[in-house]
Amino acid sequence: EADIYQTPRYLVIGTGKKITLECSQTMGHDKMYWYQQDPGMELHLIHYSYGVNSTEKGDLSSESTVSRIRTEHFPLTLESARPSHTSQYLCASRTGTSGMKTQYFGPGTRLLVL
Amino acid sequence: KNQVEQSPQSLIILEGKNCTLQCNYTVSPFSNLRWYKQDTGRGPVSLTIMTFSENTKSNGRYTATLDADTKQSSLHITASQLSDSASYICVVSDRGSTLGRLYFGRGTQLTVWP
Repeated sequence: EADIYQTPRYLVIGTGKKITLECSQTMGHDKMYWYQQDPGMELHLIHYSYGVNSTEKGDLSSESTVSRIRTEHFPLTLESARPSHTSQYLCASRTGTSGMKTQYFGPGTRLLVL
Repeated sequence: KNQVEQSPQSLIILEGKNCTLQCNYTVSPFSNLRWYKQDTGRGPVSLTIMTFSENTKSNGRYTATLDADTKQSSLHITASQLSDSASYICVVSDRGSTLGRLYFGRGTQLTVWP
């Protein structure tokens, strides 16, 4: 079982609210990722980080922002939630520079914006 | 365009039976291929990983095969159990960057009935 945690697990919120999805890992991994997954669809990379103070946008355009002030913590923020943001958000982490290193996923946050 | 296609989209089998899931990919240059298991409401968990030179890899009742020439992989599940009910995701990594860029299939939703 990977030591990567996400809170909250479920969130129902109204349009226009600001939300922050938390992700933390205790494995000391330098690389962290945020994915968005809709039911029956593939995971889409929305943000990633190589380490502290390093953040990049992924393939899927997202109105969210991320920060990486500490190695273990990679929160994702939506300044103004909209119904189109309804989805499952998965955080992942891995170590090393080799593509052989496995990404470990958190349990996900299911977001519903009304 | 780098893509990962999985079939079937969904599958129902009886407990104790065997099944095979398919994955075709066009990712190039190829680095490795992983099969992940994703339980409902959870993050994906890695089952197997194979590189270009490996054509089979087992993990308990799970056996993955890889044909790098035809760019096809399969995941065979032996003597299925109720706990095997999950989405099985094929994930291919390219060699193009140290990011370890991952391309995800949409998954096969497996349901095992008693």
